[in-house]
Amino acid sequence: GAGVSQSPSNKVTEKGKDVELRCDPISGHTALYWYRQSLGQGLEFLIYFQGNSAPDKSGLPSDRFSAERTGGSVSTLTIQRTQQEDSAVYLCASSLGTGEWYSNQPQHFGDGTRLSIL
Amino acid sequence: AQSVTQLDSQVPVFEEAPVELRCNYSSSVSVYLFWYVQYPNQGLQLLLKYLSGSTLVKGINGFEAEFNKSQTSFHLRKPSVHISDTAEYFCAVRNTGTASKLTFGTGTRLQVTL
Repeated sequence: GAGVSQSPSNKVTEKGKDVELRCDPISGHTALYWYRQSLGQGLEFLIYFQGNSAPDKSGLPSDRFSAERTGGSVSTLTIQRTQQEDSAVYLCASSLGTGEWYSNQPQHFGDGTRLSIL
Repeated sequence: AQSVTQLDSQVPVFEEAPVELRCNYSSSVSVYLFWYVQYPNQGLQLLLKYLSGSTLVKGINGFEAEFNKSQTSFHLRKPSVHISDTAEYFCAVRNTGTASKLTFGTGTRLQVTL
């Protein structure tokens, strides 16, 4: 079966531009997570969705970052007015669900979007 | 709050030798523990997880890990490594009460050479 799909795989843009990153989770997975992987900070949690709502967005680094999920499926992470420190690999993961019943379920990761800000 | 410490940023090892990658965690609540592997330009792949029960868990590719509650450790081991095991390995924890975010360690680069 298909895994988590992320697009684009690579994105190069100029400082100050807006970018949109897309994640298509595994079919039937209601929980979706965004992480950022950078050299200086390692793997950081950004936000997670249960269905279309985001119970925890505590990891979003600034108000330039936003994410949405529609139809309980595809999610987009938007970064406005990009800065060079936004350069990183953005990883998306999905799992069957959240809440105590699903707490032992692993997260399945996509291959990431490598974002480079010039 | 939770934290995960991977004490070794890099571990060089010869092929067919045993290896241990160390992981210690800190948490005020019960956690589940995971090891993920990341090959170049790929996402993270689950190697194994500890949920409850036997403290020795076996995963894919011949890896195993042992949970030690008193030492708050979850070290990863393999008795004989292959060149193809060269990758970045991440230890992670998550609260047992809710399937929310993973907290990761900084990773250990395993470099296997002939």
